[in-house]
Amino acid sequence: KAGVTQTPRYLIKTRGQQVTLSCSPISGHRSVSWYQQTPGQGLQFLFEYFSETQRNKGNFPGRFSGRQFSNSRSEMNVSTLELGDSALYLCASSTGRNQETQYFGPGTRLLVL
Amino acid sequence: GENVEQHPSTLSVQEGDSAVIKCTYSDSASNYFPWYKQELGKRPQLIIDIRSNVGEKKDQRIAVTLNKTAKHFSLHITETQPEDSAVYFCAAGNNDMRFGAGTRLTVKP
Repeated sequence: KAGVTQTPRYLIKTRGQQVTLSCSPISGHRSVSWYQQTPGQGLQFLFEYFSETQRNKGNFPGRFSGRQFSNSRSEMNVSTLELGDSALYLCASSTGRNQETQYFGPGTRLLVL
Repeated sequence: GENVEQHPSTLSVQEGDSAVIKCTYSDSASNYFPWYKQELGKRPQLIIDIRSNVGEKKDQRIAVTLNKTAKHFSLHITETQPEDSAVYFCAAGNNDMRFGAGTRLTVKP
């Protein structure tokens, strides 16, 4: 099976712009979770989508949003970018059942200038 | 919501020694506790996990213990090797996982 893929891999934006990141899960997986990774902060949970619905949400401002399509692919959008949004954004897919392993994509590295 | 604390943030050991990383969690409803290893520039990879109906699990040089009463779990790596050098993350939850801040392990040859 193909692994989790993310596009684009690298992105440079300026403050105030918006950005959309994409994640394609492992075939058959219905859950996609998004994380923000910054040095020293570990993996901060953004939200989780399951069957096209946001099932869980972390403590990020409303500028961070997402959606999931019927083929389980997910997108994450960040509006009005701030310098502090510079990070590695990782998505992870799983079957969506409780206590199932999450498999991570390679991440999208976002730099906000 | 769930809050996971991980210690230590950095750990340096000599090759062949053991390494122990500890995590505590806050939500007693959490039943799944995976550990991930992230090498520089790579994605996190699952190395071992444990579910709440089990107190200990071992896979070759790696073991994890879980104490649900005290809400803490630990990763044990024995006979460490230089290739074990990486950042290790613990996590807790069910289908919404919360991660610790990570432990940077350095194994000195």
